Amino acid sequence: EDQVTQSPEALRLQEGESSSLNCSYTVSGLRGLFWYRQDPGKGPEFLFTLYSAGEEKEKERLKATLTKKESFLHITAPKPEDSATYLCAVQAPTGFQKLVFGTGTRLLVSP
Amino acid sequence: SAVISQKPSRDICQRGTSLTIQCQVDSQVTMMFWYRQQPGQSLTLIATANQGSEATYESGFVIDKFPISRPNLTFSTLTVSNMSPEDSSIYLCSIGLGGGAGANVLTFGAGSRLTVL
Repeated sequence: EDQVTQSPEALRLQEGESSSLNCSYTVSGLRGLFWYRQDPGKGPEFLFTLYSAGEEKEKERLKATLTKKESFLHITAPKPEDSATYLCAVQAPTGFQKLVFGTGTRLLVSP
Repeated sequence: SAVISQKPSRDICQRGTSLTIQCQVDSQVTMMFWYRQQPGQSLTLIATANQGSEATYESGFVIDKFPISRPNLTFSTLTVSNMSPEDSSIYLCSIGLGGGAGANVLTFGAGSRLTVL
């Protein structure tokens, strides 16, 4: 069964304090790994898609990396506006566009 | 990118009643997806709504409990029937973006937060 596990569940950082979020996955035949950001009261907002081990993508202070078993979302010098829940999802090999999500990491960045 | 509007944004419902959630997209899309996000849980796909055919339900979800309509390429509804407190959740509508390599990127509506008393 496809599984996605995210850690930590919650993370509190000071502004400027860099850190990483982890997403471990078990899926037979990964077709894509996705990172989303979700703010309270809103739907998930797409950040990145990674397709193969070794791939990296960056967007402002965020950088996503992928290995054969896990993905990391690195946050460099975070700001309070980076506070949100970050969700990881994998695309199952069967079922077009079906995503299996983790439970997310709640990030709070204090000024 | 497409804009997805959902309503209601939130509601408080009585046990045993039913509620219909509407999802409107500002462009035509072939498939629309309904997800559920229970407190402390991950997003879980309920069903895929195809225009002109019956919705395809995931394991653990049935049509009698979550009937779906898809009358055209820009609109869908999800009904949560005979609600119980366990149905308290956020329900999210989503669509796939683009085609080719980007076809599996989902865009989500803001969600409908239901509380069942």
